[in-house]
Amino acid sequence: EPEVTQTPSHQVTQMGQEVILRCVPISNHLYFYWYRQILGQKVEFLVSFYNNEISEKSEIFDDQFSVERPDGSNFTLKIRSTKLEDSAMYFCASNSGGPYNEQFFGPGTRLTVL
Amino acid sequence: GENVEQHPSTLSVQEGDSAVIKCTYSDSASNYFPWYKQELGKRPQLIIDIRSNVGEKKDQRIAVTLNKTAKHFSLHITETQPEDSAVYFCAASDSGGSYIPTFGRGTSLIVHP
Repeated sequence: EPEVTQTPSHQVTQMGQEVILRCVPISNHLYFYWYRQILGQKVEFLVSFYNNEISEKSEIFDDQFSVERPDGSNFTLKIRSTKLEDSAMYFCASNSGGPYNEQFFGPGTRLTVL
Repeated sequence: GENVEQHPSTLSVQEGDSAVIKCTYSDSASNYFPWYKQELGKRPQLIIDIRSNVGEKKDQRIAVTLNKTAKHFSLHITETQPEDSAVYFCAASDSGGSYIPTFGRGTSLIVHP
């Protein structure tokens, strides 16, 4: 069964550094998402991406964040200057864009900002 | 925007008992309500969903009910087993909108053997 994949599984970085989190969505899916989950808390929406552009973003997704689909398969989240409070699990998800949409989540990248 | 409230935050039951998790939503345009199970350190995975044109849906030991008038929906797990222990998230989304689910805060279900 196709799955969303993410790399790396764990990223440790120093405050102020840039990080890029990578995702490969399911190949025939049309909508792509990034979510954040701070330890012990709920899943929070960051951004959705459709037709090579951002379709929606939350208030969390400020100017420090950006997303790209650099080729036909990868979907990346960049954080330009990481802060301590960016430490969280970041999940990529995709769906086919059908009217009743199951979100297929990747395994997540645990980001630790020191 | 949509707001989803979920209760309880923690639920502890004995193996074989039933467990019920309740959610409310605020946006009457929401018409798709998935439930996700997240085991410790793992990704959220869809376990069951319900659409607004249906009041109840069952899949083996798991059932969901939806009351559109009251804007609440519930997850029912019968004959709980230790492997049901996980965090369960409800969500609501508008299929005519941006396909973005708003998640509840999660319920940590602990099933004691």
